[in-house]
Amino acid sequence: DAKTTQPNSMESNEEEPVHLPCNHSTISGTDYIHWYRQLPSQGPEYVIHGLTSNVNNRMASLAIAEDRKSSTLILHRATLRDAAVYYCILYLTGNQFYFGTGTSLTVIP
Amino acid sequence: ETGVTQSPTHLIKTRGQQVTLRCSSQSGHNTVSWYQQALGQGPQFIFQYYREEENGRGNFPPRFSGLQFPNYSSELNVNALELDDSALYLCASSRTGGRQETQYFGPGTRLLVL
Repeated sequence: DAKTTQPNSMESNEEEPVHLPCNHSTISGTDYIHWYRQLPSQGPEYVIHGLTSNVNNRMASLAIAEDRKSSTLILHRATLRDAAVYYCILYLTGNQFYFGTGTSLTVIP
Repeated sequence: ETGVTQSPTHLIKTRGQQVTLRCSSQSGHNTVSWYQQALGQGPQFIFQYYREEENGRGNFPPRFSGLQFPNYSSELNVNALELDDSALYLCASSRTGGRQETQYFGPGTRLLVL
């Protein structure tokens, strides 16, 4: 059973906000929700993480549903450099990051 | 501050051979995790090492093994290579490996098994 579910792909116009959803209905109370992105031919890089409250940093915002069964990564103004695969990740028992299949974001100039 | 480095960048092996991949963790980090990423898929957790001890393992057979050294660099060894082992192998380091720790990934080693 998938621990996280994300759309396979999304498109956004440059300079527009992007909302990337993730469902994690089996999340436990102590699981942090992490988001990483992977540009072509690179390793994943950290974007943001949170537990219960909404979080903001210089890259993005993370909105976490009250029941914690879903979350949304928000890129406020998409740029061409934001084109990547975005992974919603849970930190599971056994010290493992569960990545899932990710969402491939295309940014249209 | 030097980031996570991996060697080699690319490798070609034949079925049945053995391979060793290397990872140097970021300065100040004592935890290294290894992942396998097949083409078009998300990374899958292989195992984690914390202060030279295996600290968690994913659903991979025993022919996948590892080591962590006193300087916290790490090796991934794969014996009896199979065609399905062809993938990008990523290592990531973090300060302590805790639930909210950021993992810093290297660029990966691309392994092709023929």
